[in-house]
Amino acid sequence: AQKVTQAQTEISVVEKEDVTLDCVYETRDTTYYLFWYKQPPSGELVFLIRRNSFDEQNEISGRYSWNFQKSTSSFNFTITASQVVDSAVYFCALGGYNKLIFGAGTRLAVHP
Amino acid sequence: DAGVIQSPRHEVTEMGQEVTLRCKPISGHNSLFWYRQTMMRGLELLIYFNNNVPIDDSGMPEDRFSAKMPNASFSTLKIQPSEPRDSAVYFCASTWTGTNTEAFFGQGTRLTVV
Repeated sequence: AQKVTQAQTEISVVEKEDVTLDCVYETRDTTYYLFWYKQPPSGELVFLIRRNSFDEQNEISGRYSWNFQKSTSSFNFTITASQVVDSAVYFCALGGYNKLIFGAGTRLAVHP
Repeated sequence: DAGVIQSPRHEVTEMGQEVTLRCKPISGHNSLFWYRQTMMRGLELLIYFNNNVPIDDSGMPEDRFSAKMPNASFSTLKIQPSEPRDSAVYFCASTWTGTNTEAFFGQGTRLTVV
């Protein structure tokens, strides 16, 4: 069975702090994909990043970075120098050939 | 492309009434997902289609829920009869199977059953 666990329900930080959102997944598939989505207060789901199971390279995009570790089945997301606009719910997701399963989400509040 | 289009954006209905939610996926996509989002249960996958065929409907909560995809450009999610506990935001998403592309989500339909 596939499962995504985001143990942090809510995180509150002050602007400019770094914050890491954790994601642990379970799957028996040898080929799979991992995603992060952002859901701002307006409600839409915004794609942030995709990783496939064969690519363990970490990625950096501006203030965002992702750490994929197959050995621990984790795909963590770090925001450096957080800003108020980063306040949102962040979802980690696991995809196989067809299915796309989401974690429960982590609500991030960034205070000025 | 206009993206995934869902209608209506908001729906308020009385308990017992039939509700139909609609989704137009992105042209060329061959996989379509229906999700339900609530505070208690988060984002639940209800059903997904591949090439218009339902592949897995194990997430559909009960027989009151049904989904169809008569063609590649249209899908419906029907609740009959609706109950207050069905109140949620329902999202439709589409993607292209076989590549590692992300799923694109519609704006969602906020359903309130009173």
